[in-house]
Amino acid sequence: DIQMTQSPSTLSASVGDRVTITCRASQSISTWLAWYQQKPGKAPKLLIYTASSLEGGVPSRFSGSGSGTEFTLTISSLQPDDFATYYCQQYNSYSQTTFGQGTKVEIK
Amino acid sequence: EVQLLESGGGLVQPGGSLRLSCEASGFTFTSYAMSWVRQAPGKGLEWVSGIGGSGGSAYYADSVMGRFTISRDNSKNTLYLQMSSLRAEDTAIYYCAKVEKRMARGIIIRGPATVGDFDSWGQGTMVTVSS
Repeated sequence: DIQMTQSPSTLSASVGDRVTITCRASQSISTWLAWYQQKPGKAPKLLIYTASSLEGGVPSRFSGSGSGTEFTLTISSLQPDDFATYYCQQYNSYSQTTFGQGTKVEIK
Repeated sequence: EVQLLESGGGLVQPGGSLRLSCEASGFTFTSYAMSWVRQAPGKGLEWVSGIGGSGGSAYYADSVMGRFTISRDNSKNTLYLQMSSLRAEDTAIYYCAKVEKRMARGIIIRGPATVGDFDSWGQGTMVTVSS
């Protein structure tokens, strides 16, 4: 199974900060990677797919990059609505998928 | 508008069974693969199972293989998860999620895939396994 490791587990930041979250795969997954945002008590929301494609309706301050085994999610200027937990997901296989353990973005 | 509405969660004793349902609307249900994803209290997301649009292909996480069965009734636009031999560690919110179809140069990429990026999620249904 492909393991996904996110870092950091928790990130403290202020409104306006540039924030970067990293996700590493245990083997190459090309660009078959998605990023989700989850707020307490809510379902996850898709932000990015195929590593760098922005889902419709998602603000342009969110961006994704990477290929192979290393990926990043960047928030260019953190907004109050962005404090949440973020998950990466690999879907290199047609039949199995795994998520990272999550990164909580907290108010500094 | 895509809507996914889960139901069927509740309290069940260890070793017991439960069937979850996910009623879909707002899209051509039979054309999309679907998955169940769970989240234990205070923990991260765990993919549980996925099924192709026709229902002919189904896959499971190792943690539920042999105990859970995913199915779908395309005439009712409904996805199911039959859970048996339930354990305390199965306690979680269970979400159903839709796999989006992505295009490149006019061609659907990963057409036969049962999993992919999940563009729509239900609100979740809580399953508690406890005596």
